[in-house]
Parts: sequence; C-alpha cells; structure tokens
Amino acid sequence: ETGVTQTPRHLVMGMTNKKSLKCEQHLGHNAMYWYKQSAKKPLELMFVYSLEERVENNSVPSRFSPECPNSSHLFLHLHTLQPEDSALYLCASSQGALAGQDTQYFGPGTRLTVL
Amino acid sequence: QQPVQSPQAVILREGEDAVINCSSSKALYSVHWYRQKHGEAPVFLMILLKGGEQKGHDKISASFNEKKQQSSLYLTASQLSYSGTYFCGTPFGPGGYNKLIFGAGTRLAVHP
Repeated sequence: ETGVTQTPRHLVMGMTNKKSLKCEQHLGHNAMYWYKQSAKKPLELMFVYSLEERVENNSVPSRFSPECPNSSHLFLHLHTLQPEDSALYLCASSQGALAGQDTQYFGPGTRLTVL
Repeated sequence: QQPVQSPQAVILREGEDAVINCSSSKALYSVHWYRQKHGEAPVFLMILLKGGEQKGHDKISASFNEKKQQSSLYLTASQLSYSGTYFCGTPFGPGGYNKLIFGAGTRLAVHP
C-alpha cells in the first residue's frame, strides 16, 4: 500500500533539535491528518487540514507545528520536544467527503524517539 | 468522548470466532473499523452508517445498533492473518470533514 507515504520512518532527536516529518498522499484526497499513537494509548488526533487550510488543532502544544503547502503534502515541524513526545506519528488522508462517512487512509508512520 | 472497546484482548486458535464491541456514550452517526498489525499502518476495514445495517468483508462482518449506541465486529473462522489490533473510530465535533476519535483498541492474537 503506497497511497500515503511518510518519511523518515524512524527518527531519534535530542530535546534541543529541530526536525520535520513529511507525509505525501497519492490518492487525490482533499483532507489530511496528523495522529499521535503512544504506547498503551489510543490514536490521538492532532491536526486536520482540509483543502490546505488547517481546520482543527486538537489542543496540541506549540512545539508541534504543521504545514500543508498543497493538498498532497503535509509536514509536522518539531522543536524543543520532550521525552514524552516519543511516539508513532501517523499521517492519514481522506476524500474530504461528508463528515462521518469519509474513509481515512493511513501512512506507515514515523517512529519518533526524543532523548 | 472516546468510544469504549471490549474486550481489551482476545486469543484464538485458527478457525475460532470472536466478537469485538465498540460502545459510545453519545449518539452515533457512524462507526469506522480499522486493523493495525504490529509496526504497520492502520488499515481500513469498513464503515457502518446509521440505520443498523450489517456489512461484511471476507469473513469479517459488523453491525451497528444506533439505539444501543454500539457496533460489533464479528470475526468468523479466524485466520492467522487476522492477528492485530482492532480499533473503532467515531466522528466527533462539528465540521465538514472527518474527525474521528478512536477507542483504545482490541488486541487479537490467532494461533495455529
């Protein structure tokens, strides 16, 4: 399944580093999402972009900064992270159809470790 | 409000059946089911919409009872490939896009 790709797949960073996660979707979708998946916790929605406009920020700390330059690409810029931010970060995309009926397709995720 | 999934974990032998439940304290418009294998992306299984319809995908089917505000996922004659964590997601909040809140997941292990 290569509809949604994410790079890098693994990332180790120090608390003072700045890094970016990249997501690309090849499905012609209009909506893109960032999720955080921590051990023993459910998938947590972080951000939603619809037609390149951020439509949801689910109370995410400002050390996470999303960017959506076009409908195919989504970035998550990271700076001064904390060890508790270590998690699997998943990107997803969807058609942007009727709320509640839209299927989301996930990328493989970036496994982030903050030292 | 996060949907509640039960059970938390299931261990099966090949060929056995299982049921995974997803309940919400809020009225549901739809329920989305995903399966995630270890180290892989969650994979979409099916959407159940308001109306109590039952859907099927190979030997995996699901029902949606809007009165009870719950959905059940039925895995019959389980195969080794069914192993993974199953998540249900339900829409929340306003908006013309799909915001989903997911349950904690049900870990399913199928052994030979």
